[in-house]
Amino acid sequence: QSALTQPASVSGSPGQSITISCTGTSDDIGDYNYVSWYQQHPGKAPKLIIYDVSHRPSRVSNRFSGSKSGDTASLTISGLQADDEADYFCSSYSSTTTLVVFGGGTKLTVL
Amino acid sequence: QVQLQESGPGLVKPSQTLSLTCTVSGGSIRNGGFYWSWIRQYSGRGLEWLGYIFYTGSTFYNPSLKRRITISIDTSKNQFSLSLRYVTAADAAVYYCARQDYGADYFDSWGQGTLVTVSS
Repeated sequence: QSALTQPASVSGSPGQSITISCTGTSDDIGDYNYVSWYQQHPGKAPKLIIYDVSHRPSRVSNRFSGSKSGDTASLTISGLQADDEADYFCSSYSSTTTLVVFGGGTKLTVL
Repeated sequence: QVQLQESGPGLVKPSQTLSLTCTVSGGSIRNGGFYWSWIRQYSGRGLEWLGYIFYTGSTFYNPSLKRRITISIDTSKNQFSLSLRYVTAADAAVYYCARQDYGADYFDSWGQGTLVTVSS
């Protein structure tokens, strides 16, 4: 069982926006701005798309954005494209374990 | 752009030792700005951080594995390695090496991953 809770799946049509939630506790997401998001296509390694809640690596499209409210972080993808279809994982520092912990992943389907 | 590549046996017998190496190219492993980490993924979903090593040789391990895991580094070869002793079926996973920003909690570069099966 993963430390952070994500919905198993979300879907959206091309051009739409979707949001994926990642729920933790006050020991991780709630108390630290160390939330990251990764995109993983089938058979590929995860790719960092958001770090420190809302920062985006330079090579990542500005269609990806991150935010946090309380113990829940969110990833929003705007202007959905077919290539966005992938698994998305969140992660956070956890003071309980002093480790980086991950969510169970969300499968995004572009209809 | 830094690249990481895992190598090692894809099949390990129960109770034996899993040994993997990560070769770093496009950048020096001596760069003090990064930790060098191992992460594994079960059945295409659950991710677990295993531990990291700094270029000085200092390490930090996931406590759940602390008695079985060793991460080492060879700066002359620009490589770091994972050793996991007394493996069981629960250790079967895709193993990734990754670069972690020093003082941060995200992984900005990953290897392609290598599947490890545990079976006699």
